[in-house]
Amino acid sequence: EAGVTQFPSHSVIEKGQTVTLRCDPISGHDNLYWYRRVMGKEIKFLLHFVKESKQDESGMPNNRFLAERTGGTYSTLKVQPAELEDSGVYFCASSYSGGAYIQYFGAGTRLSVL
Amino acid sequence: AQSVTQLGSHVSVSEGALVLLRCNYSSSVPPYLFWYVQYPNQGLQLLLKYTSAATLVKGINGFEAEFKKSETSFHLTKPSAHMSDAAEYFCAVSGVTTDSWGKLQFGAGTQVVVTP
Repeated sequence: EAGVTQFPSHSVIEKGQTVTLRCDPISGHDNLYWYRRVMGKEIKFLLHFVKESKQDESGMPNNRFLAERTGGTYSTLKVQPAELEDSGVYFCASSYSGGAYIQYFGAGTRLSVL
Repeated sequence: AQSVTQLGSHVSVSEGALVLLRCNYSSSVPPYLFWYVQYPNQGLQLLLKYTSAATLVKGINGFEAEFKKSETSFHLTKPSAHMSDAAEYFCAVSGVTTDSWGKLQFGAGTQVVVTP
C-alpha cells in the first residue's frame, strides 16, 4: 500500500510567484492534514480536511494560502503570491476515520522563496 | 490549550548507550501523546503512541515511553543506541475528543547523533 505522497519534493521560487503543492493521501483515508515547519521552529498545524470539507483551518497563516481537496482525494496547497517567510517544509498527513488520531505523514515539500 | 516542550535540541549518544529524550506536555486533561521520528530525506514516522491505556508504551525499533501524569511527562527511551537511530525525534500531543484529535501540536524536535 502506498504511503502519503507529496509533490514536488523541493521547490525554489522567487518572491511574488505562485507555487502549488500537492498531497496524495493513503487510499481510503478521509482525513487529510497540512503542517508546516519553518526553519528552526516547531512543526505547525495548518488545516484539516474531512473528505472534501475543511474541518479546521485555524492554522492557515493568511489569505495568500489556499487549500483544496477536490472530490475528497488529493489535496493542493497554493501560495500566491509567495513571500520570503513562507519558506520551510510543508508536510501532509492522512488518517482514516476509525483511527483518526493516528496520522501518517509524507516526506514533505521543501519550499524555498528567494 | 495544549503545548509540548522537548528538552535539548541536540543529543549526542554513544553507540550502545542509553537514549533518553525528554518531553513534557501542558494540558488541562490527559491528552494523547506521540513520538515521531524523521530519518534524513524521509517523512515523519510514528514510533509510538499513548492513548490512555497502559502508561508504559512500547514502540518500533526498541523504543519505549512512559506516561507520567504527575510529572506531565512522556520521555522516550531506548536501552542501547544503534547507529541507525540517528535522526530527528518529535514529541506531539493532541486532544482526545473527535473534534480535537485532528490537530497535532509538536515539540521543537531533538536531533540525535550516535557516535561509534
